[in-house]
Amino acid sequence: GNSVTQMEGPVTLSEEAFLTINCTYTATGYPSLFWYVQYPGEGLQLLLKATKADDKGSNKGFEATYRKETTSFHLEKGSVQVSDSAVYFCALSGADSNYQLIWGAGTKLIIKP
Amino acid sequence: EADIYQTPRYLVIGTGKKITLECSQTMGHDKMYWYQQDPGMELHLIHYSYGVNSTEKGDLSSESTVSRIRTEHFPLTLESARPSHTSQYLCASSEWGLSGSGNTIYFGEGSWLTVV
Repeated sequence: GNSVTQMEGPVTLSEEAFLTINCTYTATGYPSLFWYVQYPGEGLQLLLKATKADDKGSNKGFEATYRKETTSFHLEKGSVQVSDSAVYFCALSGADSNYQLIWGAGTKLIIKP
Repeated sequence: EADIYQTPRYLVIGTGKKITLECSQTMGHDKMYWYQQDPGMELHLIHYSYGVNSTEKGDLSSESTVSRIRTEHFPLTLESARPSHTSQYLCASSEWGLSGSGNTIYFGEGSWLTVV
């Protein structure tokens, strides 16, 4: 069945460091891929998404490229800020899960000034 | 901006009490969901609905129940709360899934329930 695997957290970085949060998936066909972010005390918000292979989703300086050959959708940002501290969730949606979102376990990101 | 609202945001109740968590969305979405989440941890789908009069159980067994009498409203009820129900409950909605649509899910801000 479909599944999503994220790197374990917490990930702790200094301000202005480069960020990568790894996400790999298992699915048949061509699922859509998402990154959601959850700031402390809040619900989840869509950060970015990609719906087909080689698409790049981007938002707020974050990027992720849909890599079919490596079944990955790694989240990157060139220079993180303290305000980026949050929990990041990778997710997929595909026909063989009846378009239900399949979630990764979440990665907590802590940015120190 | 997502137009999905949950009340109450925070609630502390005693064991054995009945509680209903309200969720409303103004986007006309057919699909709605309830997730349970401990702080910063995995999301667990406990209920979902494809539309009016449709309710399904999710991946995580839950003692709660839901109803969907109107498109915009998807309340969750616990008949007899217990301390093990202490958690955050997130309501969400999306358009009906179509291939290539992206199926973006919009979340409410969550309801924090503490049962003492």
